[in-house]
Amino acid sequence: SQQGEEDPQALSIQEGENATMNCSYKTSINNLQWYRQNSGRGLVHLILIRSNEREKHSGRLRVTLDTSKKSSSLLITASRAADTASYFCATAKAAGNKLTFGGGTRVLVKP
Amino acid sequence: DAGVIQSPRHEVTEMGQEVTLRCKPISGHNSLFWYRQTMMRGLELLIYFNNNVPIDDSGMPEDRFSAKMPNASFSTLKIQPSEPRDSAVYFCASSTETKGEQYFGPGTRLTVT
Repeated sequence: SQQGEEDPQALSIQEGENATMNCSYKTSINNLQWYRQNSGRGLVHLILIRSNEREKHSGRLRVTLDTSKKSSSLLITASRAADTASYFCATAKAAGNKLTFGGGTRVLVKP
Repeated sequence: DAGVIQSPRHEVTEMGQEVTLRCKPISGHNSLFWYRQTMMRGLELLIYFNNNVPIDDSGMPEDRFSAKMPNASFSTLKIQPSEPRDSAVYFCASSTETKGEQYFGPGTRLTVT
């Protein structure tokens, strides 16, 4: 199975609600990153959290990292229709030199 | 900065033909990555370069695929001969370091008939 696996695979919410998605991984990491992909476009980097960090914020985004559980969560607060996209986590292994992407969570924000 | 530039944006070709995809990374980035994305297999890393040198090509599906980076501002991914199962969106990404945040190009949508 993949190093990073997102859960749920798909999420449908109303505008204004919060959206939470999770990422689990298997081996020790150097950092974990979250990306967004709008339909038909390239991935856009959202946030990077290092293995010695527990929480990071960027605007309406909040990322947590629990290395003991080998998991991370991405919270989008007060969602907007424009947040409709697929969200991917990517892990940089402690012993390695590349990112490994998960399968993504498709988020639909209904106006 | 113009970001990562890929060409062509769309390519339709017949089985057996040679396909060449091109990428110009962001100036100053010394790591370049080629990915393939399909509904069935998700996002797959094909190969990546650091300082123009191929570091890991274990994701290249078979010998029909080859990639080059002759200089810091240009890379190509070639498929020869192409097959229908190569149909996918191919992304190029660049970064200042292999474990850092990556900047993706808009992708090339390849259709092989």
